[in-house]
Amino acid sequence: GAGVSQSPRYKVAKRGQDVALRCDPISGHVSLFWYQQALGQGPEFLTYFQNEAQLDKSGLPSDRFFAERPEGSVSTLKIQRTQQEDSAVYLCASSLGGASGTQYFGPGTRLTVL
Amino acid sequence: AQSVTQLGSHVSVSEGALVLLRCNYSSSVPPYLFWYVQYPNQGLQLLLKYTSAATLVKGINGFEAEFKKSETSFHLTKPSAHMSDAAEYFCAVSASNAGNMLTFGGGTRLMVKP
Repeated sequence: GAGVSQSPRYKVAKRGQDVALRCDPISGHVSLFWYQQALGQGPEFLTYFQNEAQLDKSGLPSDRFFAERPEGSVSTLKIQRTQQEDSAVYLCASSLGGASGTQYFGPGTRLTVL
Repeated sequence: AQSVTQLGSHVSVSEGALVLLRCNYSSSVPPYLFWYVQYPNQGLQLLLKYTSAATLVKGINGFEAEFKKSETSFHLTKPSAHMSDAAEYFCAVSASNAGNMLTFGGGTRLMVKP
């Protein structure tokens, strides 16, 4: 079956521009996660949804970052007024739920801010 | 709070040799532990996970890991390395008292020499 998909795969933005990154989770997965992976590092948690409810956004680095999942399926991560330090790969993952549940990752969106 | 330490950011082995990638964790409650593999420009793929059943966990591609509570370790091994095993490997932990997010180590890049 289809896995987690993300679009675009690559995004180049000028500093100060707004960007929107999309995630399509596996059908039926109630949990959705966003992670940020800087070059040469492990992924770091940004935010977590259970269905349409955003249960944890403690990892969002600033109020320029905003995520939504209005119908409990597709999610969008928006970054306003991008800065160079936002350059990273943004990974989306989905799971059936629970701390022991396997998270299935998408291929990521590589964001480069010039 | 939970954390993961992966000793050795780069590991090099010869084809056919034993692979040993080290992971130590910190968690205030019984953890769930995961190993993921990441190939270039791809998302993370689950190799195996520990969820409080058997302490020796077998995964895909001949990998296995042993949960040792006394050593707070979850090292990944494979008896005989193959060229196709060259990739980045991430150890991760989640815990029932910390939401369902994964906390990742910094990763270990495995290089396999012919």
